[in-house]
Amino acid sequence: KAGVTQTPRYLIKTRGQQVTLSCSPISGHRSVSWYQQTPGQGLQFLFEYFSETQRNKGNFPGRFSGRQFSNSRSEMNVSTLELGDSALYLCASSLNPSGAGELFFGEGSRLTVL
Amino acid sequence: QQQVKQSPQSLIVQKGGISIINCAYENTAFDYFPWYQQFPGKGPALLIAIRPDVSEKKEGRFTISFNKSAKQFSLHIMDSQPGDSATYFCAASARSARQLTFGSGTQLTVLP
Repeated sequence: KAGVTQTPRYLIKTRGQQVTLSCSPISGHRSVSWYQQTPGQGLQFLFEYFSETQRNKGNFPGRFSGRQFSNSRSEMNVSTLELGDSALYLCASSLNPSGAGELFFGEGSRLTVL
Repeated sequence: QQQVKQSPQSLIVQKGGISIINCAYENTAFDYFPWYQQFPGKGPALLIAIRPDVSEKKEGRFTISFNKSAKQFSLHIMDSQPGDSATYFCAASARSARQLTFGSGTQLTVLP
């Protein structure tokens, strides 16, 4: 069974640009969550999607958005990039809503903002 | 109230020794406490998890001890091996919150 796939794995952007990251969950998983990982702030919850609906959102500005498609694949978008957005963005999928059981993480998309 | 405090930040243990990582929480609504292991360049992977109806759970060399009254839980790695060298994160969630709150992580180094 294939794991969680995130693309691209690495990308470099400049301030003011926008970026879209993609996540394909494990087959059959309907919940997709996104986390930001930085050395200073650790792992922070961005948002969770279940059945194409955003069910929960963390404390991030509106520049961070996401969506989920009918096949459970998800994308997150960051607009007007800032230097502080440099981070590893992790996608996780689960069978059930993310607070109730195991999350399976992808390897992440490492974003560098110059 | 949503924080999970993890210590120590880093830990060095000799091969065969016991590694102990501690976490504390404030939110009494938390009812699921997993530990994740992360190797460089990889995403976190679930190691072991516990719910507050039990005080201890063991899987192989890994044991979670849970103290509900103190709102603390810890990970014990018995017979630590160099291959256990990784970053360990505790986490907690409440069913209603639909998100994991992670601790700050512990970088474990097991010396051969």
